[in-house]
Amino acid sequence: AQKVTQAQTEISVVEKEDVTLDCVYETRDTTYYLFWYKQPPSGELVFLIRRNSFDEQNEISGRYSWNFQKSTSSFNFTITASQVVDSAVYFCALKSFGNEKLTFGTGTRLTIIP
Amino acid sequence: GAGVSQSPSNKVTEKGKDVELRCDPISGHTALYWYRQSLGQGLEFLIYFQGNSAPDKSGLPSDRFSAERTGGSVSTLTIQRTQQEDSAVYLCASSPRPGLDTQYFGPGTRLTVL
Repeated sequence: AQKVTQAQTEISVVEKEDVTLDCVYETRDTTYYLFWYKQPPSGELVFLIRRNSFDEQNEISGRYSWNFQKSTSSFNFTITASQVVDSAVYFCALKSFGNEKLTFGTGTRLTIIP
Repeated sequence: GAGVSQSPSNKVTEKGKDVELRCDPISGHTALYWYRQSLGQGLEFLIYFQGNSAPDKSGLPSDRFSAERTGGSVSTLTIQRTQQEDSAVYLCASSPRPGLDTQYFGPGTRLTVL
């Protein structure tokens, strides 16, 4: 069975602070994909990043960075110099090769205080 | 280009009525997915289409739920004899092909059953 755990239900930080959102996953499959999605107040899920299980390189995109560690089954997301527009619910998700279903974590609500 | 679109954006219905929710995937995307987002259950997979066929219907919660896809494009999710527990946001996603590709989500339909 697959499982994604986002232990942080809600996080609040002051604008310009850095913040890390944790994601821990469980799967028995050797080929799988990990995703982060952002859900702003408008409600639409916005794709942020996809990582496959064979690529453990960290990724940076502007103020966003992702740390994938298979040894700890974690795929953490860091926002540097946070901005009010980063306020949203962030979901981590897992998909195994050959299975079309995305398994989502319960999400982390991030609030950036101006 | 245009993203995934869903209609209606909001639907209020009375218990026992049937409802139809529509999804227009991104043009050229062969795979289409339905998910449900509710407070108690988080984001749940409902059904996946490849072309017009549905290889995975494992997430449909009861036989009151059905879905079809015609012409390899538009999909309709039908809920018969709606119950209050069906109240949720129904999200549709599409991807260029199954397997490796990212799922891109629409804005959702918020269903309220009175």
